[in-house]
This record gives sequence, structure tokens and C-alpha cells, in this order.
Amino acid sequence: DTEVTQTPKHLVMGMTNKKSLKCEQHMGHRAMYWYKQKAKKPPELMFVYSYEKLSINESVPSRFSPECPNSSLLNLHLHALQPEDSALYLCASSQENQGDTEAFFGQGTRLTVV
Amino acid sequence: GENVEQHPSTLSVQEGDSAVIKCTYSDSASNYFPWYKQELGKRPQLIIDIRSNVGEKKDQRIAVTLNKTAKHFSLHITETQPEDSAVYFCAATLDSWGKLQFGAGTQVVVTP
Repeated sequence: DTEVTQTPKHLVMGMTNKKSLKCEQHMGHRAMYWYKQKAKKPPELMFVYSYEKLSINESVPSRFSPECPNSSLLNLHLHALQPEDSALYLCASSQENQGDTEAFFGQGTRLTVV
Repeated sequence: GENVEQHPSTLSVQEGDSAVIKCTYSDSASNYFPWYKQELGKRPQLIIDIRSNVGEKKDQRIAVTLNKTAKHFSLHITETQPEDSAVYFCAATLDSWGKLQFGAGTQVVVTP
């Protein structure tokens, strides 16, 4: 299994809603990532989890809250988002938290904040 | 931190011709350079990568070259086909956290 699975594929939420994005991998990878991608732009790193511990937070607003319940799962909890947070949210994983390992991306959740 | 520049931003080629995309990076400590292809509405997918101890790598119609001295690396696609049309991102990573710094992307259009 070389897949990173993200749910849901699409999400529309109001600015007062609370929702969660989910990511799952069964490749035994110990590093997992959240990226945000706006249209026609490259992915931007948000968070890195290494061995289920948050190791990098790229100055992301607190309305985004990551969670890593176990080595296979990664969540992103959303609360009080703004319309400018609308984007494709990509989860990725890699075998180790090393600089020279391949990152596998999920298909993304396309989020629209209304 | 690492800064990756990618050129050109758009590239139109005739089917069968070659396409070349170039990237430069700023931090000489970077040691891993992947290339991702992203089709419209889909996830980025790794197409080829190169590590800092190698100068060139080839996989069928795709090749990547790395010049560590000049701090640049390039993607070469030969005999282009319409299905090669996509956005291509180069990236570099230098630290132990597997953090990828992406270039801005190149929109490649292959016309039949």
C-alpha cells in the first residue's frame, strides 16, 4: 500500500463552523505533513509530525490545529476560518524525518470557506 | 532558510520536442532534490529525484542533472507527449525534518 488517503475530498464550511480533515497512511512512515496549496502556487508547509510529535509549526494561525492520534493518522482541526483559507490541503508522509527521503502526497481536500 | 527559484513559469512545446526546466537553490547544504508533477485537480506526484552525491539520473524519457557548485538542477523531458502537460515543481530540502522548499512551478503545455 503506497497510498496516503485524505477525507473528505471536498469541504464547504462557514466561518463559524468546526470541521476536521483526516489523513491516513499504512506505509509505516513516521513523518507526516500538512501542506496548503493555493491555486497556481506551490504547496506551502504548515506542520510536520515526527514520531507522532509536532516538530514544526510554520507560524500557522491557531484556527488550524493539528493532531496525530497514532503513527498512521493525522488530523487537521479547523475552527473560525476565513475565506482566504480556502485552498487545497495536502497531507504527505515520508519514511523518516530525514532530508533525503521521498514524500508521498495524498489527493488533498479542497476546502471552501464561505 | 532555503530559497528555490524555478524557470520558466510556462513552457509550450510541440509534441516530440524536448522540454527543460531549471531550478536554483540558495543553501549549499541542501542534499535532496525531487521533481513533482501535478495535473489539474490532482496531487503532486514524484517523477524523479536526485541526491547531492549524484550528478545525473535518468528514467526513460525523464532526466535530472545537478550542479552542486553552481547550485542548480534541471529537469529534461525528451520526446514530449500530450500527457506530459501539467505543472512541474522542483524542490530542495536541507535539514533533518524532510521539509521541502518548492519552486514556483512550471506550467508545461505539449501541443499535438
